[in-house]
Amino acid sequence: GDSVTQMEGPVTLSEEAFLTINCTYTATGYPSLFWYVQYPGEGLQLLLKATKADDKGSNKGFEATYRKETTSFHLEKGSVQVSDSAVYFCALSGGSQGNLIFGKGTKLSVKP
Amino acid sequence: SAVISQKPSRDICQRGTSLTIQCQVDSQVTMMFWYRQQPGQSLTLIATANQGSEATYESGFVIDKFPISRPNLTFSTLTVSNMSPEDSSIYLCSVKLAGGPLGELFFGEGSRLTVL
Repeated sequence: GDSVTQMEGPVTLSEEAFLTINCTYTATGYPSLFWYVQYPGEGLQLLLKATKADDKGSNKGFEATYRKETTSFHLEKGSVQVSDSAVYFCALSGGSQGNLIFGKGTKLSVKP
Repeated sequence: SAVISQKPSRDICQRGTSLTIQCQVDSQVTMMFWYRQQPGQSLTLIATANQGSEATYESGFVIDKFPISRPNLTFSTLTVSNMSPEDSSIYLCSVKLAGGPLGELFFGEGSRLTVL
């Protein structure tokens, strides 16, 4: 079945460092791809998305490009801030009920 | 977007008891889902809540353990029955909005259950 594989965390970076969180997927058909973020003590919220191959999703300085040839959707940010500390989940729309299938999540900690 | 209210936000429960979690949405939705997030793990779909009929459960989840109701379009409940410490998790309500963006789901803040 469809699945998402995400790099293991936790990831610890210094402020202004470059961030990459790898995400690859396995799916039949052409799913939409998402990054969700969970800040401490808060619910999951959508960070960015891409609905077809070569689309780039972006929000709050984060970017991810839907790469069909490598089945990837890596999350990047050029300069992280302490406020970016959170758990990041890669997901695809592939469930039989229209639900999302999630990766295991990557915890990011940014130090001042 | 939508405002999704989940109650309770957290609870500490005794082994063998049951707890019902409520999810109320302020917008028209087409689909409602219940997910579980075990400590340090990803989100796993428990079931799809169907309005006026039995929920559709994922493999490994059964109605006797996780009965679900959805009496109308914007409200659903999940009960965790006969709880054991292994049921300690965050339970999340998630919805797809009517006319919403393709594939996008909105999530409640979750209900954190600790079973002693």
